This record gives sequence, C-alpha cells and structure tokens, in this order.
Amino acid sequence: QQQVKQSPQSLIVQKGGISIINCAYENTAFDYFPWYQQFPGKGPALLIAIRPDVSEKKEGRFTISFNKSAKQFSLHIMDSQPGDSATYFCAASISGGAQKLVFGQGTRLTINP
Amino acid sequence: DAGVIQSPRHEVTEMGQEVTLRCKPISGHDYLFWYRQTMMRGLELLIYFNNNVPIDDSGMPEDRFSAKMPNASFSTLKIQPSEPRDSAVYFCASSFLFGGTEAFFGQGTRLTVV
Repeated sequence: QQQVKQSPQSLIVQKGGISIINCAYENTAFDYFPWYQQFPGKGPALLIAIRPDVSEKKEGRFTISFNKSAKQFSLHIMDSQPGDSATYFCAASISGGAQKLVFGQGTRLTINP
Repeated sequence: DAGVIQSPRHEVTEMGQEVTLRCKPISGHDYLFWYRQTMMRGLELLIYFNNNVPIDDSGMPEDRFSAKMPNASFSTLKIQPSEPRDSAVYFCASSFLFGGTEAFFGQGTRLTVV
C-alpha cells in the first residue's frame, strides 16, 4: 500500500512533442505528490509538485494532472526539448512535505532532436 | 550555499570491508535523509533524522547498516561488513522542517563492493 507505481519505464519522444508519464498509488493518506528530475551523475531535483486539493498544476511547460478518485497523477511535458532528456520520478508522502517520500521506479525520457 | 555535499563520489571496496559514506546537509535544514538507488529497487529511503535525532530507520536493510548524525552539519552512513549486493548509489538529502516541501539531494556516492 506504500507503493507508487510509475509507467512507462522508458519513453522516446520527438522534439516538440508531448511527453506523458503516469503514476498510481493506493494509500489514500498520501497528501503530497512531487515529481523529481534526475540527470546522469546527479541527484534528483524537485521539478513540480501538487496537493490533492487541486486537479492540475502548471509551471511553464510542465503540468501535473491529478485524479483523486482514480488515485492517479501524471506529468505532461509540452514542447519537449532535448534538454528534458532525463529520468523522472514521481513520489508521494503522507507528511505534506519532503519527509518519508515514496518514489516510483522512474521513467527514462529521451527527446530526439 | 553549496548544496548537500557527499563524499566520496565513488567508492570501490572489497567484500567484508567497512565503508563509511559522509554527508554535509544544507545549513539550516532540519531534516536529513539517506536514500539508496538501484536499478531493481529504485530510490529507497533508508533512514531520516530530525534535528540530529533518528526518526525512522525502518528502511535500513540489515544490522550491517548504521547511520549517525553527531551534529547539524554532518552525517555518516556506515556499512560493516560490506557485501556485493550493497553496490548502489547512496544519496543524502536535506530539507526544512517548516514548509519543507523539497528534499535537496546531494550528487550521491556510487558504491561498488567487489
């Protein structure tokens, strides 16, 4: 019940296209859902996050869509660029913050020029 | 601030040896986390501290693993004795107590046990 399931494992998108990564969870006590971006040789870095009281959050080209009833959330990257090529992790916590984050397995995103 | 600083960046050791990983959190942060990243299991939380006190070590895989935080600016993760299956990238992260919605990660220590 503590798991966060992420799909797909890998994704290839053409430059300018839309990248979509999905996550699902079981624990309804989760109240904070961040997405982290990780480049090779670096630690993960917070990209965007959402709380369950809103259904969508947008920051630039990055949007989180949240479906509380389905217990699913997704990351959309509009106008994907080669610089977006990285591994993306969804996560969840019950603390409302960074404590005890449970991470998905990660999605390796490649944007072809 | 230079961010979360981990050392060493790479460590190769022989099975049975003791390994100590080090972390300096961002100054002023109240929480410190140790994560392990592997291809099979992804990112796993091993242990976290609040104000230097261990709060939850339920993710520590075995008694061979131990972590300490003697002061607000330093933490260690020790594996004794090390085994090949401990090979992974170990990350340290820190965050604020209040409004701390972001965990700031270090660059990680890549551990290889041969």
